[in-house]
Amino acid sequence: DTGVSQDPRHKITKRGQNVTFRCDPISEHNRLYWYRQTLGQGPEFLTYFQNEAQLEKSRLLSDRFSAERPKGSFSTLEIQRTEQGDSAMYLCASSLILGQSSYEQYFGPGTRLTVT
Amino acid sequence: LAKTTQPISMDSYEGQEVNITCSHNNIATNDYITWYQQFPSQGPRFIIQGYKTKVTNEVASLFIPADRKSSTLSLPRVSLSDTAVYYCLVGDRGSSASKIIFGSGTRLSIRP
Repeated sequence: DTGVSQDPRHKITKRGQNVTFRCDPISEHNRLYWYRQTLGQGPEFLTYFQNEAQLEKSRLLSDRFSAERPKGSFSTLEIQRTEQGDSAMYLCASSLILGQSSYEQYFGPGTRLTVT
Repeated sequence: LAKTTQPISMDSYEGQEVNITCSHNNIATNDYITWYQQFPSQGPRFIIQGYKTKVTNEVASLFIPADRKSSTLSLPRVSLSDTAVYYCLVGDRGSSASKIIFGSGTRLSIRP
């Protein structure tokens, strides 16, 4: 257990429905990241926050995806009008950035989304 | 952005030392080398990070030659629980998070 939790762990939804995932990072960590991982591939960066500010979004993040981190604590990732291609593991990670060192991230267990 | 190349898969036996090599020919001066381990249905776990020569912690060692164009993750005396995917990442620690590229990793299988 890294201290990063995600909820739910599994989500099955029908195409066209909206889903929301939650991530609770390690409490003192100021950065929070979202990744998507498909079978046989490594995690792909989606977006990240420094405190409550969303600093960067990947081109992978279509308009149907939105992420928030109110008050710089937990974060939510919402997918609207889900498509079968959204089926993947959604991973959250957090890190403490003091100057540099973006690479030591602590990952949660992920939320596995299946869109039927 | 430094591209990395690692073997797709490796097999070994319990008790052996396993070395996984990562090639990064266009590594930049400010780039660090970082390795993550991922078990099935779990998020990746940070193993080790280094810049040059050798770094060792309680889990692994990281060997980086002088030209830094490759690096080797060494796992001493592996056990069945070391079966996982191992990712090599190269980049400037101060760079944008979007430049953190995991690639496909090396799938390590340990047999009894």
